[in-house]
Amino acid sequence: EIVLTQSPATLSLSPGERATLSCRASQSVSSNLAWYQQKPGQAPRLLIYDASNRATGIPARFSGSGSGTDFTLTISSLEPEDFAVYYCQQRYNWGFTFGPGTKVDIK
Amino acid sequence: QVQLVQSGAEVKKPGASVKVSCKASGYTFTGYYMHWVRQAPGQGLEWMGWINPNSGGTNYAQKFQDRVTMTRDTSISAAYMELSRLRSDDTAVYYCAKAVLPAAITWFDPWGQGTLVTVSS
Repeated sequence: EIVLTQSPATLSLSPGERATLSCRASQSVSSNLAWYQQKPGQAPRLLIYDASNRATGIPARFSGSGSGTDFTLTISSLEPEDFAVYYCQQRYNWGFTFGPGTKVDIK
Repeated sequence: QVQLVQSGAEVKKPGASVKVSCKASGYTFTGYYMHWVRQAPGQGLEWMGWINPNSGGTNYAQKFQDRVTMTRDTSISAAYMELSRLRSDDTAVYYCAKAVLPAAITWFDPWGQGTLVTVSS
């Protein structure tokens, strides 16, 4: 099974700052990677799919990059509503696994 | 608009079974795979498996292979996830989530609102 690790576990930033979140796979997943945002008490929401494509309705300040084993989610300038937990997810054969998440909180 | 509405919270005893429903609207139910994901309190997301609502075919995560059953009722556009032999560590919020693309095992969007299942003696 492919294992995803995310770093850092917590990222403390101020509104307007740039956020850079990392996701690493234990073996290559090509571009089969997505990012989700989850706010407290809410279901997750798809942000990025196939490593770098923004989902419908997702603001341009969110961008994804990477392929193979190393991936990055960048939020160019944090808005108050962006403080949340972010999960990466990979697709393998017929199934999926999630990373442990990165919490972006207000500094 | 696409909407997934799940059944209400459940409290079960260890060893019992639970069946969670997910009623879909706003799209062709049989055209998109449905996934199930759970989240224990304060923990991350755990994929459980998917069902193809068109064929009824399923694929379960290895961890749940012997305890989970996913079914659907196309007449009412509903998917179901049944988990048996419940343990205390099955206490979690269970989500259904629709695949993004038709007839493909792809990413999840949108998600249902979640169903809290509490396992306690």
